[in-house]
Amino acid sequence: NAGVTQTPKFRILKIGQSMTLQCTQDMNHNYMYWYRQDPGMGLKLIYYSVGAGITDKGEVPNGYNVSRSTTEDFPLRLELAAPSQTSVYFCASSLLAGFRETQYFGPGTRLLVL
Amino acid sequence: AQSVTQLGSHVSVSEGALVLLRCNYSSSVPPYLFWYVQYPNQGLQLLLKYTTGATLVKGINGFEAEFKKSETSFHLTKPSAHMSDAAEYFCAVSWGASKIIFGSGTRLSIRP
Repeated sequence: NAGVTQTPKFRILKIGQSMTLQCTQDMNHNYMYWYRQDPGMGLKLIYYSVGAGITDKGEVPNGYNVSRSTTEDFPLRLELAAPSQTSVYFCASSLLAGFRETQYFGPGTRLLVL
Repeated sequence: AQSVTQLGSHVSVSEGALVLLRCNYSSSVPPYLFWYVQYPNQGLQLLLKYTTGATLVKGINGFEAEFKKSETSFHLTKPSAHMSDAAEYFCAVSWGASKIIFGSGTRLSIRP
């Protein structure tokens, strides 16, 4: 049982490039989330999903896109990378009842946009 | 607007001393309350949570927190700090099924 896995661990992007951050969970959780963590700022919710085919915006969705074709996978897409997207990105999942439940976090992807 | 405040971005205590990390929130709606811990280069792990019932909640690694509705607080405590407690701690508050806010975090250092 690997829990929540994220790839890559670290990536450097040039301004304007695109990339997909991968997230997979093997706990059969319905809810999945993407957060970004900036120094001294805590975590900000980017997007979340309540199940396959259903996604919704969080607090800071601009510049990102998501899809949820399966229960296990919840990739985050950056179409035109900007320096403001330099951050650490965490994927998380929970079983039921969304934000009332314990969230299980992946190890994070550190992204640097230059 | 709803908000979560963690007082003190950095707290330093001696090994064996009391740990007290503060969390306050602003809302009139009853919340769900969480404390998460983040060790270096890792994701967050749940320490404890309050949903309903007893206001004193016990978590892992000897931590506990008390929900005080009148003070809109959910402070985290541990009677005796251990070197392995050095980490960053996040308070999180959820209102309903579609919103959660994390505090900005408190880095806990333990002096030998």
